[in-house]
Amino acid sequence: GESVGLHLPTLSVQEGDNSIINCAYSNSASDYFIWYKQESGKGPQFIIDIRSNMDKRQGQRVTVLLNKTVKHLSLQIAATQPGDSAVYFCAELPASAGGTSYGKLTFGQGTILTVHP
Amino acid sequence: DAGITQSPRHKVTETGTPVTLRCHQTENHRYMYWYRQDPGHGLRLIHYSYGVKDTDKGEVSDGYSVSRSKTEDFLLTLESATSSQTSVYFCAISREPPGRTDTQYFGPGTRLTVL
Repeated sequence: GESVGLHLPTLSVQEGDNSIINCAYSNSASDYFIWYKQESGKGPQFIIDIRSNMDKRQGQRVTVLLNKTVKHLSLQIAATQPGDSAVYFCAELPASAGGTSYGKLTFGQGTILTVHP
Repeated sequence: DAGITQSPRHKVTETGTPVTLRCHQTENHRYMYWYRQDPGHGLRLIHYSYGVKDTDKGEVSDGYSVSRSKTEDFLLTLESATSSQTSVYFCAISREPPGRTDTQYFGPGTRLTVL
């Protein structure tokens, strides 16, 4: 089956640096992607999403880039802070033949981001 | 956690016993989901609901059942718990299916240990 995965399981950065977390997806028919942040002992928290008709979307200190040609998704965090330390997941919404998938997201394994003061 | 509570937050039980986990939301969202999270597998969908009394299976539904008698409550039941069901369980809600006007928001999780 097709799945969403991550290139790097861990990423360590210094406070103030920019962070880039990558995600590869294999289902070219997927049309919606989400990034989640999960802190230890908590549930995943929505960060930002992007549709397949977009290449880039910006939020507060975060930017998601989508490259459909190579099926690659990235999350950029500007001026990374210690509070950004967490596991980051990408999730993919596979397009269904009937056009209704009731939000059955497929999640990647996650990347551990550690920010050093 | 977007008005979502899960109970209990932690539970230890023995193999063969029934277990029910509760998800309660105050957002009046139509869609509710149960996931389990395990090392090496990420988040996997167990069951979901697209309205009161309307539920369907997810990716890993064997050994689990659900019920939704009210908009605000979604119950997950393990009829006879097994050690393979030791996991962290997350409930999620959404107003619409992701990809439309909303996305999924997650509760704080329930850590279940089956001995």
